[in-house]
Amino acid sequence: AQKVTQAQTEISVVEKEDVTLDCVYETRDTTYYLFWYKQPPSGELVFLIRRNSFDEQNEISGRYSWNFQKSTSSFNFTITASQVVDSAVYFCALRNSGYALNFGKGTSLLVTP
Amino acid sequence: DSGVTQTPKHLITATGQRVTLRCSPRSGDLSVYWYQQSLDQGLQFLIQYYNGEERAKGNILERFSAQQFPDLHSELNLSSLELGDSALYFCASSLGTSIRETQYFGPGTRLLVL
Repeated sequence: AQKVTQAQTEISVVEKEDVTLDCVYETRDTTYYLFWYKQPPSGELVFLIRRNSFDEQNEISGRYSWNFQKSTSSFNFTITASQVVDSAVYFCALRNSGYALNFGKGTSLLVTP
Repeated sequence: DSGVTQTPKHLITATGQRVTLRCSPRSGDLSVYWYQQSLDQGLQFLIQYYNGEERAKGNILERFSAQQFPDLHSELNLSSLELGDSALYFCASSLGTSIRETQYFGPGTRLLVL
């Protein structure tokens, strides 16, 4: 069975703080893909990043960075110098042998000025 | 803008009614997925179509059905609606069926059943 756990339900930070969103997954497959999506208050789901199970390189995109560690089955997401526009719900998702994305419950991030 | 379009954006209806949600995938994408987002269940996969054929079913109720047409747009039909069907329904598309492909989501249809 596959499962994605985002233990942090809500996080509140002040602008310019760094924040890390945790994602832990479970799967028996050796080939799988991990994703992060952002859902701003307007409601749409915006794709942020995809990572395959064979690539443990960390990735940085502007203020966003992702840390993938197979040893701990984690795919954590860090926002550096957070901004109010980062306020959203962030979802981690796993796709392995099936067709569907298995989503975590999401972490609601609130960045206040 | 993901390139996936969904109509309508909002839908308010009564219990027992039937509604149809429509989705147009990104240009070139052959796969369409439907997901339901509710407060208690989170984001749940309902069904997937690839080039007109059903490929996978998730937690889709028997009262719900979907199809993908030759022009690749898809419709999700919800019938005998109940209060608990109130949710945000997303359509997503991808090029094919490979697990490495990213699914791009539409803006969603917010359904309220009164």
